[in-house]
Amino acid sequence: AQKVTQAQTEISVVEKEDVTLDCVYETRDTTYYLFWYKQPPSGELVFLIRRNSFDEQNEISGRYSWNFQKSTSSFNFTITASQVVDSAVYFCALSVENTDKLIFGTGTRLQVFP
Amino acid sequence: GAVVSQHPSRVICKSGTSVKIECRSLDFQATTMFWYRQFPKKSLMLMATSNEGSKATYEQGVEKDKFLINHASLTLSTLTVTSAHPEDSSFYICSARERLADQETQYFGPGTRLLVL
Repeated sequence: AQKVTQAQTEISVVEKEDVTLDCVYETRDTTYYLFWYKQPPSGELVFLIRRNSFDEQNEISGRYSWNFQKSTSSFNFTITASQVVDSAVYFCALSVENTDKLIFGTGTRLQVFP
Repeated sequence: GAVVSQHPSRVICKSGTSVKIECRSLDFQATTMFWYRQFPKKSLMLMATSNEGSKATYEQGVEKDKFLINHASLTLSTLTVTSAHPEDSSFYICSARERLADQETQYFGPGTRLLVL
């Protein structure tokens, strides 16, 4: 069975701090895909990144970076120099090959204070 | 990224009435769309997978007669909450799967807040 764990329920930081959101996944499949989505207060889920299991390269996109480590089954997300607009709930999700389902973690609520 | 719209964004209805929610992929064709339900401060729960031209696949515990899904075209799926009751009040989100070469990603609509009085 597949599972995604986001142990951090809520994180509060002050603007300009760096913050890392943890994601640990479980699957026996060798081919799988990992995602991060952002859900601001408006409710819409915004796609941030997709990573397949064969690509362990870390990725940086502006102030966002992702660290994928198969050895620890983790796909952590770091926001550098956080801003108030980063305040949202962030979901990590997993899907495995040949299935349609996205398995979501419980989400981490990030609050960035000015 | 791909754009998915949902309509209405918010609906209030009386108990016993039916409510239809539309999900559209605006700039791509989606053979598969998904319907999720989200309770306040909770994660998304997959309700059903909607396949164009065929019956939807419902997750365990989701009443197919209660939540009717129709996916009549490659850009439109509808969810009808029949005989709605207050416990059906929730945030309903659809997503559409875009396939590009070997990459596929689910893009989400903005959600529909349903309040049943």
